[in-house]
Parts: sequence; structure tokens; C-alpha cells
Amino acid sequence: GAVVSQHPSRVICKSGTSVKIECRSLDFQATTMFWYRQFPKQSLMLMATSNEGSKATYEQGVEKDKFLINHASLTLSTLTVTSAHPEDSSFYICSARDQVRGLSEAFFGQGTRLTVV
Amino acid sequence: DQQVKQNSPSLSVQEGRISILNCDYTNSMFDYFLWYKKYPAEGPTFLISISSIKDKNEDGRFTVFLNKSAKHLSLHIVPSQPGDSAVYFCAASVANSGYALNFGKGTSLLVTP
Repeated sequence: GAVVSQHPSRVICKSGTSVKIECRSLDFQATTMFWYRQFPKQSLMLMATSNEGSKATYEQGVEKDKFLINHASLTLSTLTVTSAHPEDSSFYICSARDQVRGLSEAFFGQGTRLTVV
Repeated sequence: DQQVKQNSPSLSVQEGRISILNCDYTNSMFDYFLWYKKYPAEGPTFLISISSIKDKNEDGRFTVFLNKSAKHLSLHIVPSQPGDSAVYFCAASVANSGYALNFGKGTSLLVTP
């Protein structure tokens, strides 16, 4: 099946610094990728839809200046958490669909555990 | 506003028996439904899906049933195996929204030997 790779899997950063998370589709091209966030014992909440070559679409309540998304190629989307604070500590997950093959299911990356100290 | 609800946070089933995980949704625009399996600190793994034009889809030990009138779907695992122990997420999407997924809160399944 399609593979989505996310890096890093775990990162600890100091408050006020920025962290970049990469999401790659390894064996297919994805014009659209999705970024989710999961708090402990909560569901995965969609943060934004990343569109290749254009601006990301953010869900209500998600600060676009804080969570910068770049989708510069058909296989790579990045999420940068800027000026991170402890409340940004969470599990971030990206997903992508193999739109060329027309598969409807989304494949997920391994997730990134962000801890801001 | 939670549009996809999994009201059972946990379920314990004996090995060999049937596991039934339930999911309800409120948005009648949803036309595609998926089940994912997730281990801690990992991304979800796709299990099975169903389109709103069907009421049943089967893949090996996994069967998903959809009752559109009740806005309810369920995942049946039979026979259940200890390796099935994980958190199961129900998700729903609208095709013309680009398939962004709305997730339930998950049900933690424990299959005991």
C-alpha cells in the first residue's frame, strides 16, 4: 500500500523556538495532504489542508501564522510550529491520498510527538 | 462539535469471539466512511472503508456495516485475535471536500486470550 513518511517522530524544543515537521509521500504523488493534531485520549482533529502550489486551508481556530504549512512539491508538505509554547505540545500527524490511483482512503504518517519545555 | 461519535471508549473481548465497534455520525453529507487502527505514538493504519452507496463491505475478518437511515456504522472483527488489541477510530468524509477526515474519539479494544 501507499506509504507516507513523517519526520521527526519525536522532538523536544524550548519555548519560543520553531519546529519543522516533514511529511512525504514515498511512492505516490499527493496534491493534497492533511495535517491533524491529537491530544491525549482525544480524536484526531484536522488542522489544515495542504495544497501543492497554493496556500493551505486552515480549520477554524487554527492560527495560520503559528502553524506554517508549505507544500512545495507533490511529495512533500511541511508544518512549522513557530514560537512554540508548552500548550502546543501534542501529537501531530499528516496524511495523504493517492489521487492518481484514485484511492479514497488516506494513508497516515507515523506521527510526531512534540514536547515544548 | 463532534460530528463522528464513538460512544464506547473501551471494549474487552475474548479471543475467538466477535468484536463489534460502533460509530454514529450527525452530518448527513458524509458519503465515505473508514475505520483505522492505531497503536500509541504511531499514525493510524487504514483497515476498511465503505461508501454510502453500500451497506456492507467485507475484507477478511473485518466487516463494516452502514445504516444510513440511522447514521450508524459498525465494525465487526471475527474471530478476534490478541493482535487486534489497539484503538480503533471511525472516520467520515465528504467526497467533494477533498476527503478530509472527521474522526471519532476512538474505542480501545482489548482481546484477551
